[in-house]
Amino acid sequence: EPEVTQTPSHQVTQMGQEVILRCVPISNHLYFYWYRQILGQKVEFLVSFYNNEISEKSEIFDDQFSVERPDGSNFTLKIRSTKLEDSAMYFCASKGDSLYGYTFGSGTRLTVV
Amino acid sequence: AQTVTQSQPEMSVQEAETVTLSCTYDTSESDYYLFWYKQPPSRQMILVIRQEAYKQQNATENRFSVNFQKAAKSFSLKISDSQLGDAAMYFCAYRGYGGSQGNLIFGKGTKLSVKP
Repeated sequence: EPEVTQTPSHQVTQMGQEVILRCVPISNHLYFYWYRQILGQKVEFLVSFYNNEISEKSEIFDDQFSVERPDGSNFTLKIRSTKLEDSAMYFCASKGDSLYGYTFGSGTRLTVV
Repeated sequence: AQTVTQSQPEMSVQEAETVTLSCTYDTSESDYYLFWYKQPPSRQMILVIRQEAYKQQNATENRFSVNFQKAAKSFSLKISDSQLGDAAMYFCAYRGYGGSQGNLIFGKGTKLSVKP
């Protein structure tokens, strides 16, 4: 069965550093998402991406965050200058044309020290 | 704005028994989708079951079934004949009906333990 692949599985970074989280969505999917889950909290929507542009973003997704699909297969989330409170599990998801067929990756655990 | 509430942070069930996980939500929309996702220690979110709000019949997938009460905005998950492999975090999620893009709104999750 097709999978969404996220790398790395765990990343530790110094506060103020830039990080790039990578995702390879399912190849024929059209909609791409980033969610985050702070430890012990609910999963929160960050951003959705369709047709090479952001279609929706939450208030969490401020100027420190950016997304891109540089080569038609990878879907990346960049955090420009990490803060301690960015420590969380980050999930990528993709979806085809259906209204409900989301597939999630296994997540990247980001630890900011 | 839509919200999803899971009032049980943790639940425990004996193997082979039945357990019900609660979820309530708030929305002003009349059409939407509801989901239960399972997150095992491997961390990947796996779809367990979904319910279309316009369908009165409760969804069922093998040992998993829901009790969807639209008027009460309640969407509970029943797991029958619980197995050790059912131990995981379970998230209730909501998606509005409009458009193809739609993001999911999650509850805080319920950690289910299964005792042998």
